[in-house]
Amino acid sequence: GESVGLHLPTLSVQEGDNSIINCAYSNSASDYFIWYKQESGKGPQFIIDIRSNMDKRQGQRVTVLLNKTVKHLSLQIAATQPGDSAVYFCAENNFGNEKLTFGTGTRLTIIP
Amino acid sequence: NAGVMQNPRHLVRRRGQEARLRCSPMKGHSHVYWYRQLPEEGLKFMVYLQKENIIDESGMPKERFSAEFPKEGPSILRIQQVVRGDSAAYFCASSYRQGDSPLHFGNGTRLTVT
Repeated sequence: GESVGLHLPTLSVQEGDNSIINCAYSNSASDYFIWYKQESGKGPQFIIDIRSNMDKRQGQRVTVLLNKTVKHLSLQIAATQPGDSAVYFCAENNFGNEKLTFGTGTRLTIIP
Repeated sequence: NAGVMQNPRHLVRRRGQEARLRCSPMKGHSHVYWYRQLPEEGLKFMVYLQKENIIDESGMPKERFSAEFPKEGPSILRIQQVVRGDSAAYFCASSYRQGDSPLHFGNGTRLTVT
């Protein structure tokens, strides 16, 4: 399944499938990007980050892709599990700057 | 996430009352950041403090809101004369030094103004 970020704030994916969550950022000066996962009633939980000198970074079951040309960021989650159900936010700033700018978020629901 | 402690988790105030939100940073951290989250929205920066100093309060409303981080004790976000529009989740993050990334957040205080 794939979302277009701000225009499709919800995404439903079958358990075991891969999911892609997209984010368009606005500040061309941003050089640091983070994906957070937020479960109901909890604070944002760090998933993965990437600096602007990279275009791809992989973690455990997650991959972040950065396209600076079109100011687009995506989070790929492989082999989704019920525990992946949450709202996912992208955030941007200048590395070392405390002011994170968050996107609106995408609600991911994993269907058993 | 569990390292930054916020309390209370839920706070209900009537219009006109004061709300005090507390944030205990992770051990050894002397930098605290407050963010606000309205329902179905992302977090928005409010204020950045070091021990006994406000470094950046550009995201905090000029009236009724104040923040402090004393030499001893937790950081406090104070909202005076609360209005319904103040209802939100308030999150705190901390860091060892300025610019440490990524920020790790507490579980927030959910303020409801009735």
